[in-house]
Amino acid sequence: QVQLLQSGAEVKKPGASVKVSCKASGYSFTTYYMHWVRQAPGQGLEWMGIINPGGGTTSYAQKFQGRVTMTRDTSTSTLYMELSSLRSEDTAVYYCAKGNMDVWGQGTTVTVPS
Amino acid sequence: QSVLTQPPSASGTPGQRVTISCSGSASNIGTNYIYWYQQLPGTAPKLLIYRNNERPSGVPDRFSGSKSGTSASLAISGLRSEDEADYYCAAWDDGLSPVVFGGGTKLTVL
Repeated sequence: QVQLLQSGAEVKKPGASVKVSCKASGYSFTTYYMHWVRQAPGQGLEWMGIINPGGGTTSYAQKFQGRVTMTRDTSTSTLYMELSSLRSEDTAVYYCAKGNMDVWGQGTTVTVPS
Repeated sequence: QSVLTQPPSASGTPGQRVTISCSGSASNIGTNYIYWYQQLPGTAPKLLIYRNNERPSGVPDRFSGSKSGTSASLAISGLRSEDEADYYCAAWDDGLSPVVFGGGTKLTVL
């Protein structure tokens, strides 16, 4: 079955970077776009960006331009989302979601203590 | 401040029909499909409705979606206690951010 398995929780210092992975299985990896969405504690969903696993092209939400990088490794069917210059407001659960966001990863908690 | 506007809360009693609205603009709902997601407490969101009114396999037909102009609605009929969750609308946007979400609606089953 289609699965997205994300990397484990992270605790990072302000100013550092974090790289979250999302390993896809059960479908043709290069066929569907992959979204990254985050959710701060008690808050709603916030769309961060999208990557085409086939060609590697990306499009980011304006809010994250210059701070986020989305990449992929087709040899391992794995997507990556790296967020730099972390601040306490980046504390959130980060999700990857396939295509029409019809399948979601389990989420990765990133904590940036203030 | 979300690009798509949803009421923060909604409620109903078991068996009732409730609707959740989602208001946008010409650059998103007006020209693109609307999607709805259900998020149960402590879990990842789940796709409920895609392309305005299509249901993925496994989603009960109690859930339905509609769109008119720059607004959309999610209807839940025969409300059940397990429907208590947060509901989000989303759409592609032709503006600065390719995808936009609503702020979410917390549904309480009384």
